[in-house]
Amino acid sequence: DIQMTQSPSSVSASVGDSVTITCQASQGVSTWLAWYQQKPGKAPQLLIYSASTLQDGVPSRFSGSGSGTDFTLTISSLQPEDFATYYCQQANTFPLTFGGGTKVE
Amino acid sequence: QVQLQESGPGVEKPSETLSLTCTVSGGSIRSQYWSWVRQSAGKGLEWIGRIYGSGRIHYNPNLESRVSLSIDTSQYQVSLKLFSVTAADTAIYYCARDRPYYGSGFYKYNGMDVWGQGTKVTVSS
Repeated sequence: DIQMTQSPSSVSASVGDSVTITCQASQGVSTWLAWYQQKPGKAPQLLIYSASTLQDGVPSRFSGSGSGTDFTLTISSLQPEDFATYYCQQANTFPLTFGGGTKVE
Repeated sequence: QVQLQESGPGVEKPSETLSLTCTVSGGSIRSQYWSWVRQSAGKGLEWIGRIYGSGRIHYNPNLESRVSLSIDTSQYQVSLKLFSVTAADTAIYYCARDRPYYGSGFYKYNGMDVWGQGTKVTVSS
């Protein structure tokens, strides 16, 4: 299985801050990587796919980059509704695998 | 607007078979891929498997010996069966519309864009 390692596991930030989360794959996944946001008691919500493509309806303060093994998710100006847990997920190789999550608090 | 609704027993006894259903509304079930993902406190998000409307299936090898996915296009339902459950199968189970795209000689992945609200399953005697 491809292991997806996210860092940090949690980050403390304030409204207006820029936050960057990294995701490292144990082997190359090309650009077949997605990012999800999850709030307590809710299902994950797709933010970005193909490493850098913003899902319809997602604010432009979210951006993704990377290819191969190293990826980043950046929130450029943190808003109150962005406090949540974020997960990366690779879809290059079965089984699909997720990172362990990064909590933004 | 596609919507997904999972349903299940809530509690299942150890060694029994867990049966979950995901009902699809607001869109086609045939020409889509549907994944099951579970989330437990100990293991985060775990992909269980994916089924296409035509019935093509991929399973997580870590669960393949105990899991079965099926699709009923007439009922707009995707089903999951997990055999011989243990306490380690206690989790919230989600179904999601998955969007791999297999073109002629190329592949794209557009993420899991629609999720159900999840159904909580506790394995306990």
